[in-house]
Amino acid sequence: QAVLTQPASLSASPGASASLTCALRSGINVDTYRIYWYQQKPGSPPQYLLRYKSDSDKQQGSGVPSRFSGSKDASANAGILLISGLQSEDEADYYCMIWHSGAWVFGGGTKLTVL
Amino acid sequence: EVQLLESGGGLVQPGGSLRLSCAASGFTFSSYAMSWVRQAPGKGLEWVSAISNSGGSTYYADSVKGRFTVSRHSSKNTLYLQMNSLRAEDTALYYCAKGAGITLDHYMDAWGKGTTVTVSS
Repeated sequence: QAVLTQPASLSASPGASASLTCALRSGINVDTYRIYWYQQKPGSPPQYLLRYKSDSDKQQGSGVPSRFSGSKDASANAGILLISGLQSEDEADYYCMIWHSGAWVFGGGTKLTVL
Repeated sequence: EVQLLESGGGLVQPGGSLRLSCAASGFTFSSYAMSWVRQAPGKGLEWVSAISNSGGSTYYADSVKGRFTVSRHSSKNTLYLQMNSLRAEDTALYYCAKGAGITLDHYMDAWGKGTTVTVSS
């Protein structure tokens, strides 16, 4: 079982909100991890969006709009990237990442389609 | 402005070797950890290796451990990845990424555009 699991795809309408999940493998407690989120558009390198561990331990990337935010769902053992007021430019691949056992681990990525 | 420019990619036969370089500018290179991350065609991101600001600590993904070696040359502001015993599954776009701090557990806050490695006979 992968350390981080993301849904392969998600579709949402312009102006709506999208909730992208990043589930941690059973036995790895989401409460103890900082979860990082990246956005990648076709032909471009990833860009850092934000980090979330708790409301007191979070960081927004430089220049990242406030409509991108992070949270956690402890019951699902998952990190969440919430994008509100979706715009066509938000269409991209989104990756979560954690530092786990001395290594960086990425989720498989979610392709967000805005239509 | 932080700039990372990767080079050294190319076509290599299985079992062959390649050395990637990443020229860094726009920041104090010796003050930050650095990483290599790869992306196979049409696939997701895979972290490959990281090195602390001093070069004293290095970490590798299990998939490359024993085959790849990361190093850095502070006076040249350059990061390297020596790749030996290459396999078809190493085919990917290799990104150089700057850490947000000195230790390996700092996330990557800037990325280069990548250099392509193709392993094929």
